[in-house]
Amino acid sequence: EVQLVQSGAEVKKPGESLKISCQGSGYSFHSSWIGWVRQRPGEGLEWMGIIYPGDSDTRYNPSFQGQVTISADVSTKTAYLEWSSLKASDSAIYYCARSDGLVPEAAFEDWGHGSLLTVSS
Amino acid sequence: DIQMTQSPSSLSASVGDRVTITCQASQGVSDYVNWYQQKPGKAPKLLIYDASNLHTGVPSRFSGSGSGTDFIFTISSLQPEDIGTYYCQQYDDMPPTFGPGTKVEIK
Repeated sequence: EVQLVQSGAEVKKPGESLKISCQGSGYSFHSSWIGWVRQRPGEGLEWMGIIYPGDSDTRYNPSFQGQVTISADVSTKTAYLEWSSLKASDSAIYYCARSDGLVPEAAFEDWGHGSLLTVSS
Repeated sequence: DIQMTQSPSSLSASVGDRVTITCQASQGVSDYVNWYQQKPGKAPKLLIYDASNLHTGVPSRFSGSGSGTDFIFTISSLQPEDIGTYYCQQYDDMPPTFGPGTKVEIK
């Protein structure tokens, strides 16, 4: 059974840094794309970016390029989403999700439970 | 970015009703459209990929059709467990974009 287990809720202040995680199990971690999706409170879904852990090929939505960093560690089967300087507007639920597609844009077949981030002074 | 619009934004239907949601892309996306269901407080789940293909384990009352710019998602017989928000998503062009969602409630 595929599982994506995400790190817990975070409360941070503007300007702080943060790295959240998503550990995969039940599938070949290095040969599946794993991406991140943002959902602000009461809003829809936004595709942020994706990484292929096997070769670290990473693609970003231009709207998020430079705002976040996506990485992965194949030894621990964990993907990461990182901010260097948080803003209040980063408050959201962040989902990691897995794709077996041949292209990075393909459907997300499995999803993590989400990590809630609250950024407030 | 390709814009995806959905209608209606919300609907209320009775158990057993046929429910139809439409999704329109701002430009042609071939059949590169997926449909997701998000139940309240939960992560989204993939229901339909490539416009009309049922994801593994998804009940057959869910279906999708369309190509180009116009897509349809159907629940043939609405069940109580189907309440939630449904999103279409295109992946013909980077970045993949989602529609705003259609909230489905039971009357």
